[in-house]
Amino acid sequence: EVQLVESGGGLVQPGGSLRLSCAASGFTFTSYEMNWVRQAPGKGLEWVSYISISGGTIYYADSVKGRFTISRDNAKNSLYLQMNSLKAEDTAVYYCARDQGLRYFEPDAFDIWGQGTMVTVSS
Amino acid sequence: DIVMTQSPDSLAVSLGERATINCKSSQSVLYSSSNKNSLAWYQQKPGQPPKLLIYWASTRDSGVPDRFSGSGSGTDFTLTISSLQAEDVAVYYCQQYYSTPLAFGPGTKVTIK
Repeated sequence: EVQLVESGGGLVQPGGSLRLSCAASGFTFTSYEMNWVRQAPGKGLEWVSYISISGGTIYYADSVKGRFTISRDNAKNSLYLQMNSLKAEDTAVYYCARDQGLRYFEPDAFDIWGQGTMVTVSS
Repeated sequence: DIVMTQSPDSLAVSLGERATINCKSSQSVLYSSSNKNSLAWYQQKPGQPPKLLIYWASTRDSGVPDRFSGSGSGTDFTLTISSLQAEDVAVYYCQQYYSTPLAFGPGTKVTIK
């Protein structure tokens, strides 16, 4: 079964750090670009970051640029999001999402999503 | 940056009736070289992650019922549910993947009248 499972969410104080992980299974991880998408409580979807297969091409939303770092370990079939200098407005469910892989180095639609992990930034 | 808007914010449709959701991008998402629009539609039910319904503006993803269809080009797009079923109650989002930052529309909530 094709699956993405996020972990690492939790409660953190403003200014703190958290590292999210996404474990991929059921497909060839090294054939797909990956993304993080977040959803604040009761709100819509916000794209956060994209990473190419090799990790050589990375994009971020302006709202997280300079604070968040996306990475991947292809040997471990895992995607990561290091989040530093967290703010209250970063509170959200964070989803990892697989790029369709129809084109390399160009984002495509997201065809597989994890169940998400909740991040709460509060004192 | 490309900004996505959707209308209406919500709509109530009787079972078996047609539901139509509109999405507009602030600039064209059409790749002239391939004549394809980098526009996707997702369905999100309460407590679940989004599910891809449509990509390239009009191509249904695998397993998506044919009552869902997408149309449009350039900056104006439409998702149509031809005969609403109870299981279609959800929030629907459009998304452009033409350029970064990738962007979603604000969503349209579909309920049963």
